[in-house]
Amino acid sequence: AQSVTQLGSHVSVSEGALVLLRCNYSSSVPPYLFWYVQYPNQGLQLLLKYTTGATLVKGINGFEAEFKKSETSFHLTKPSAHMSDAAEYFCAVSRGDFNKFYFGSGTKLNVKP
Amino acid sequence: DAGITQSPRHKVTETGTPVTLRCHQTENHRYMYWYRQDPGHGLRLIHYSYGVKDTDKGEVSDGYSVSRSKTEDFLLTLESATSSQTSVYFCAISESPLAGGPDTQYFGPGTRLTVL
Repeated sequence: AQSVTQLGSHVSVSEGALVLLRCNYSSSVPPYLFWYVQYPNQGLQLLLKYTTGATLVKGINGFEAEFKKSETSFHLTKPSAHMSDAAEYFCAVSRGDFNKFYFGSGTKLNVKP
Repeated sequence: DAGITQSPRHKVTETGTPVTLRCHQTENHRYMYWYRQDPGHGLRLIHYSYGVKDTDKGEVSDGYSVSRSKTEDFLLTLESATSSQTSVYFCAISESPLAGGPDTQYFGPGTRLTVL
């Protein structure tokens, strides 16, 4: 069975500070991992994904994530937060069967001026 | 943006009434999905389709049915709505899994359903 854990339902950072959003997964086989962002009253938008190859993945808006198999983690980072980064972020995992995704419960990022 | 529309965008209904939500895509993608989003639960898969007339249950399928008679349309039906089905419903689409792994899912704008 797949499960995804996002530590911290709410994270608050100051503008210009490092953003770190945590995602851990449980899987008996190598997973495929995704981060999505959701702005208020909108659908989800892909930030980045890891399928195979390089374990450090760069995405849109300056975000990146590193797949660490030994830690079963795929944490999302951004060196310097911007006010426009305030949104809810979802980590998702898939094994590829029918392309089904399993989502974490989400982390709301608040960026303080 | 992927061409995905959902209708209606907002709906208020009463307990016991049937409700149908529609997802329409213009991308000709094979796979379509229905999720519900509730605070503290993220997105949970209700049903999915891997082709015309090919559908299967997700993790929270009780009380829901789906149909896909055309590639572009995927309907979600609540046969007899209950207050526990008050939620935001999202449709997603994707192409077939790639040789190196699954393909990205693209999401519609969502439907906010309130069951009184």
